[in-house]
Amino acid sequence: GESVGLHLPTLSVQEGDNSIINCAYSNSASDYFIWYKQESGKGPQFIIDIRSNMDKRQGQRVTVLLNKTVKHLSLQIAATQPGDSAVYFCAEIPNYGQNFVFGPGTRLSVLP
Amino acid sequence: ETGVTQSPTHLIKTRGQQVTLRCSSQSGHNTVSWYQQALGQGPQFIFQYYREEENGRGNFPPRFSGLQFPNYSSELNVNALELDDSALYLCASSLGQGATETQYFGPGTRLLVL
Repeated sequence: GESVGLHLPTLSVQEGDNSIINCAYSNSASDYFIWYKQESGKGPQFIIDIRSNMDKRQGQRVTVLLNKTVKHLSLQIAATQPGDSAVYFCAEIPNYGQNFVFGPGTRLSVLP
Repeated sequence: ETGVTQSPTHLIKTRGQQVTLRCSSQSGHNTVSWYQQALGQGPQFIFQYYREEENGRGNFPPRFSGLQFPNYSSELNVNALELDDSALYLCASSLGQGATETQYFGPGTRLLVL
């Protein structure tokens, strides 16, 4: 079936550096993508989304890039802070479905 | 915090038992989706309810069932529990059933089946 996966299961970055979390997806017809952050003991928290007609979208300290040619999604976090430590999931909506397909997640650890 | 609440927070059951998990959606949201998240994995879609009707289902057996009430709160029922049902169960609410409606998650119910 269709799947969403991640290149790196864990990522450690120094506080203040920029973080890049990558995600590959397999359904070329997917229309919508979301990044979620999940802290220990909590449910996933919406970070940023992007539609398939865009290739870049910026939020507060975060940027999502979408490369439909190679079916790749990335989340960039600027000036990474200790509070950014969490597991990050990318999720896609297969064309006009109503459920998200989540990848396995990347754990981001911010080093002091 | 998203305003989505779930109860109980933790639950221990034995194999073969039945369990009911509850979710209150965020104010104004009429759609609730349920997900199962095994340890170390991403959430897997179970089903979605929109205006009290099931509106899509993932690859889960019929012993996983649900309800949505007129106030849009929801229940997830699992019968004949199996060890592999041990997981974090998440509900998420959204403004509508549309494919691009952002889903806001609750904190989850952690179920352990012994």
